[in-house]
Amino acid sequence: GNSVTQMEGPVTLSEEAFLTINCTYTATGYPSLFWYVQYPGEGLQLLLKATKADDKGSNKGFEATYRKETTSFHLEKGSVQVSDSAVYFCALYTGRRALTFGSGTRLQVQP
Amino acid sequence: NAGVTQTPKFQVLKTGQSMTLQCAQDMNHNSMYWYRQDPGMGLRLIYYSASEGTTDKGEVPNGYNVSRLNKREFSLRLESAAPSQTSVYFCAAFPRDAGYTFGSGTRLTVV
Repeated sequence: GNSVTQMEGPVTLSEEAFLTINCTYTATGYPSLFWYVQYPGEGLQLLLKATKADDKGSNKGFEATYRKETTSFHLEKGSVQVSDSAVYFCALYTGRRALTFGSGTRLQVQP
Repeated sequence: NAGVTQTPKFQVLKTGQSMTLQCAQDMNHNSMYWYRQDPGMGLRLIYYSASEGTTDKGEVPNGYNVSRLNKREFSLRLESAAPSQTSVYFCAAFPRDAGYTFGSGTRLTVV
């Protein structure tokens, strides 16, 4: 079956540090890949997506590249801010049924 | 979150009580979903509905029932609540290529 594996958190960084949150997946076929962000007390919001190999999704300074050869979709940001503190979820969709989510990675950014 | 409305936002139930979580979308999407979110476990699919009048079980359907009476509304019912159903519940609508739009969630506590 399909699955998504994310690095365990929490990830604690200082403001302006470089961020990487690892995500790897197992899926049949060629899935679309997503990153969602959840701020405290809120629902999940779509952050970025990529629908085919080598696509790069980007939004709000975050980027992720769909790497078919390594089955990965790592989330990166060059300079994090305190306001980026949230839980980040990687997810995939194969066109059947529903999205499959990773367990989430909590990011804490300290001033 | 724009487009998907969940009610109530908070609920406390006693073991054995029943309740219905309501979800409505104004985006005219065919597919709707119910997930539960528990610490360290990400989001797990309870039920989904690919179109009006159809529903299917997800990963964790036991103890729940759903109803998709029209395209706009998808409700989740707990017939006899148990402490194991304490969780945060999210409804989502899915325009396929663009990723889910989530509601803001219902925090349910069963005592």
